[in-house]
Amino acid sequence: RKEVEQDPGPFNVPEGATVAFNCTYSNSASQSFFWYRQDCRKEPKLLMSVYSSGNEDGRFTAQLNRASQYISLLIRDSKLSDSATYLCSSGTASKLTFGTGTRLQVTL
Amino acid sequence: DADVTQTPRNRITKTGKRIMLECSQTKGHDRMYWYRQDPGLGLRLIYYSFDVKDINKGEISDGYSVSRQAQAKFSLSLESAIPNQTALYFCATSDPDRVRNNEQFFGPGTRLTVL
Repeated sequence: RKEVEQDPGPFNVPEGATVAFNCTYSNSASQSFFWYRQDCRKEPKLLMSVYSSGNEDGRFTAQLNRASQYISLLIRDSKLSDSATYLCSSGTASKLTFGTGTRLQVTL
Repeated sequence: DADVTQTPRNRITKTGKRIMLECSQTKGHDRMYWYRQDPGLGLRLIYYSFDVKDINKGEISDGYSVSRQAQAKFSLSLESAIPNQTALYFCATSDPDRVRNNEQFFGPGTRLTVL
């Protein structure tokens, strides 16, 4: 079993839709959680950290469920520019483990 | 200016050749990492370093070696390249003052093809 698992997608949604991604992690000692965005052939860029209480940044909401060991990302009012691959990651103080990514395609 | 740079950005080489990928950062971070990314396998950690005198193996270190020449420089070497080392390689840094968070910042990547 992979340490961090994501549905690879693709998720094809129309502009304006709400879309949610889940990610599960197996290391119960994980202390930090992130969502990264990666455009084709580019480097991953930090989208947002994920906190126990949940956190929001504009149209993006991230949540952590420690009991079930999953994190989620909700994107509201999807834009064409949101089309990308979204990587979740979890880790300890020393290193992060990344999921393989979920591909999102937003269409007109 | 990019905070984390990688050279070369693209490289095509032949089986058996020695290759060095270089990473430099101006973020002042002590921690540096090398990953490779393959389709369907995601990012996998090759080596990481917490300071100039510290080198640690990641999950896929076989066939690779690293050198931390200075706080700002971390290079990855393939002593004798083989075709299954064809991949996209990323360097990343993180800030020890934010250990609990450990968010990492990535360089632009090096696309390596081994023929």
